[in-house]
Amino acid sequence: SQQGEEDPQALSIQEGENATMNCSYKTSINNLQWYRQNSGRGLVHLILIRSNEREKHSGRLRVTLDTSKKSSSLLITASRAADTASYFCATDGGATNKLIFGTGTLLAVQP
Amino acid sequence: NAGVTQTPKFRVLKTGQSMTLLCAQDMNHEYMYWYRQDPGMGLRLIHYSVGEGTTAKGEVPDGYNVSRLKKQNFLLGLESAAPSQTSVYFCASSGQGGANVLTFGAGSRLTVL
Repeated sequence: SQQGEEDPQALSIQEGENATMNCSYKTSINNLQWYRQNSGRGLVHLILIRSNEREKHSGRLRVTLDTSKKSSSLLITASRAADTASYFCATDGGATNKLIFGTGTLLAVQP
Repeated sequence: NAGVTQTPKFRVLKTGQSMTLLCAQDMNHEYMYWYRQDPGMGLRLIHYSVGEGTTAKGEVPDGYNVSRLKKQNFLLGLESAAPSQTSVYFCASSGQGGANVLTFGAGSRLTVL
């Protein structure tokens, strides 16, 4: 079964608003990553947070990690129409040789 | 620098036919992966390789075989295609294991009739 599940499955917001996506996972991890996928394209890495970190920032992205709840959130601030994409979390399940992806959140940013 | 290249990009097969998807990376990465993506299912790991000459099963390996004869190439084979294998297939590579970042190819859309 998949390691991570994103919530919500779909999210529609207006340009300029913030978007928050959540990821829950099942087992212990070494790190958790977030990826973005534009329609019809491959996935692109956004940010990695290690199990001993609680928060990480990259530009308009903010990721939090709560290992006690086995959950993470991705916040995109001041969203743009170009942020429209699917967002996936991925975890290593405590292993070091593979990533398991969640089911993704489809974000639509209306101009 | 091409990154990860998948061929072919599109393919239509009849049930029972065989085919091979090729993944090539030019980043000297040790680890390579094949995922399939289906609506509502996210990405599921089929097989992966931790180095030249090695392969291992992922979450959904049945019906697929793989080979890693050269470090830069990872082949995914379907010996007898089934409609349930209709999907978009993604190859990815990384310099290390899951602790490192994956670089993905653009995907290969396979339809089995």
